[in-house]
Amino acid sequence: DTGVSQNPRHKITKRGQNVTFRCDPISEHNRLYWYRQTLGQGPEFLTYFQNEAQLEKSRLLSDRFSAERPKGSFSTLEIQRTEQGDSAMYLCASSWTGGFYEQYFGPGTRLTVT
Amino acid sequence: TQLLEQSPQFLSIQEGENLTVYCNSSSVFSSLQWYRQEPGEGPVLLVTVVTGGEVKKLKRLTFQFGDARKDSSLHITAAQPGDTGLYLCAGAAGGNTGKLIFGQGTTLQVKP
Repeated sequence: DTGVSQNPRHKITKRGQNVTFRCDPISEHNRLYWYRQTLGQGPEFLTYFQNEAQLEKSRLLSDRFSAERPKGSFSTLEIQRTEQGDSAMYLCASSWTGGFYEQYFGPGTRLTVT
Repeated sequence: TQLLEQSPQFLSIQEGENLTVYCNSSSVFSSLQWYRQEPGEGPVLLVTVVTGGEVKKLKRLTFQFGDARKDSSLHITAAQPGDTGLYLCAGAAGGNTGKLIFGQGTTLQVKP
């Protein structure tokens, strides 16, 4: 297994457009997390799935954001009506349920809203 | 609200010097991870500490978890240019979510 993958790596979009990002976790991992990171800051938690169930969403996740993990494998994060403040790196991570919550991150998707 | 504060935020040193990065909180964490991140890439897990007072070594990197599990430190001996990057500490939030609370990071630059 080659680790967590994310696509696209970069996305430039105009304000008001919708964008969708994909994350493929490590295949044996049943938990999948989405984080957002802005320049000069650490990642901030957005939401997580255990298998196909979305178990928690941060207050940072406005109604314009939606995430799915339909078959408990890959996940998508959609942002509707993008705003300039959505510009950030969107990171996906996966882990086991047990253990000590070690999470393995993908390379991220850099979103720029113009 | 659980918060992690890292210090210093920026560090620029010469190759061969030693350094320590601190990660502090008023909250107790069940475990704490250290990550290293390069520009344009995702964080890479370096180590997980889970027991109060635990010390782990990874080549020239030494990680310590405070006795009360509220703080941690990362010490690098004889830093090399390849150590340059953003170092992040992250604590597992309460409950069984496994979500991580990150510090704001320490940017390390090691000059040859």
